[in-house]
Amino acid sequence: KAGVTQTPRYLIKTRGQQVTLSCSPISGHRSVSWYQQTPGQGLQFLFEYFSETQRNKGNFPGRFSGRQFSNSRSEMNVSTLELGDSALYLCASSLGGLAGQYEQYFGPGTRLTVT
Amino acid sequence: SQQGEEDPQALSIQEGENATMNCSYKTSINNLQWYRQNSGRGLVHLILIRSNEREKHSGRLRVTLDTSKKSSSLLITASRAADTASYFCADTSGTYKYIFGTGTRLKVLA
Repeated sequence: KAGVTQTPRYLIKTRGQQVTLSCSPISGHRSVSWYQQTPGQGLQFLFEYFSETQRNKGNFPGRFSGRQFSNSRSEMNVSTLELGDSALYLCASSLGGLAGQYEQYFGPGTRLTVT
Repeated sequence: SQQGEEDPQALSIQEGENATMNCSYKTSINNLQWYRQNSGRGLVHLILIRSNEREKHSGRLRVTLDTSKKSSSLLITASRAADTASYFCADTSGTYKYIFGTGTRLKVLA
């Protein structure tokens, strides 16, 4: 099976711009989660989608949003970028169910740099 | 913050030695998982231990869980240079999100 793919792998944006990141889960996986990873804060949960519905959301401002399509592919959007949004954004897929019930498979991440 | 903590933050050992890292979590877990992250393979699931289990083995990995202390430990036996990575625990509390710890950076010297 193909793994989780994320596009683009690297992105440089300017403050105030917006960005959309994409994630394609493993075939058959219906749950997609997004994380932000920074040296200072570690891995922070952004949100989780299952069958096009957001089931949980982390403590991030409304500038961070996401969606999931009927084929389980997911996108996340960050509007009005700030310097502090520079991070590695990771997407993970799993079969679904309650968190922890199944292992998560992570993509390689998108490295976002905001200048 | 709900984020758990791994201890130690960094660990350096010689190849062949055992490495032990600990995780303190804050929620009332259903399950706890351990992940490894290195530059070559990204973030990879290692092992899952359920809240009603006290110990679990997988190859050279041994995980223990103490729900009364809200702590878990990961033991890597006979370490290899390829084990050099950051190790994270992730706890889940019956919702749909994982809370990752701050990680332990392990360096195995050849």
